Amino acid sequence: GIQVEQSPPDLILQEGANSTLRCNFSDSVNNLQWFHQNPWGQLINLFYIPSGTKQNGRLSATTVATERYSLLYISSSQTTDSGVYFCAVVGVTNAGKSTFGDGTTLTVKP
Amino acid sequence: DGGITQSPKYLFRKEGQNVTLSCEQNLNHDAMYWYRQDPGQGLRLIYYSQIVNDFQKGDIAEGYSVSREKKESFPLTVTSAQKNPTAFYLCASSIQGLRGELFFGEGSRLTVL
Repeated sequence: GIQVEQSPPDLILQEGANSTLRCNFSDSVNNLQWFHQNPWGQLINLFYIPSGTKQNGRLSATTVATERYSLLYISSSQTTDSGVYFCAVVGVTNAGKSTFGDGTTLTVKP
Repeated sequence: DGGITQSPKYLFRKEGQNVTLSCEQNLNHDAMYWYRQDPGQGLRLIYYSQIVNDFQKGDIAEGYSVSREKKESFPLTVTSAQKNPTAFYLCASSIQGLRGELFFGEGSRLTVL
């Protein structure tokens, strides 16, 4: 099945810094999502982005489907941005099943 | 408010007992899913259902069972055959079938003593 690799696995930032999280995938995809998992375990939808670029406030994402990667940008980070960020993809040959990466754990220090 | 409701949020059970986790959605979504998350790891698919009365095994279905008798409900039973049932369980749904955007409930944390 499709493989999803996220990097870096851990990231520690000072409040106000910018960061880039990466998601590489091994096959063509029909669907790609970015999620933020808060400390209580809830998964918050950030972007549904199988291709192209989207922005939502301080967050933006870009997926380059032909090169099989997606980037999540966080600008002017805040302590509330802390948590785990997951990338999930549905491969074209994956019968609709979403495959998750292992996540990037972000810690923003005040 | 529209959303996905999972219950209970926390559950403790003795080894050897079957446990059923509830998942209800009022989003009118066709597809529903169950995922398992272990500490420090991503989510793994247990079962999914595209329509009522139909469901398919995911990557780690052994020791679990599901039913889909109503569009809005997709309960998961963790049976005594599941070797390591202690985990965080997440239910999700999507509007556009299996390729659509996933939305998640708040999760159920199961601890087997």
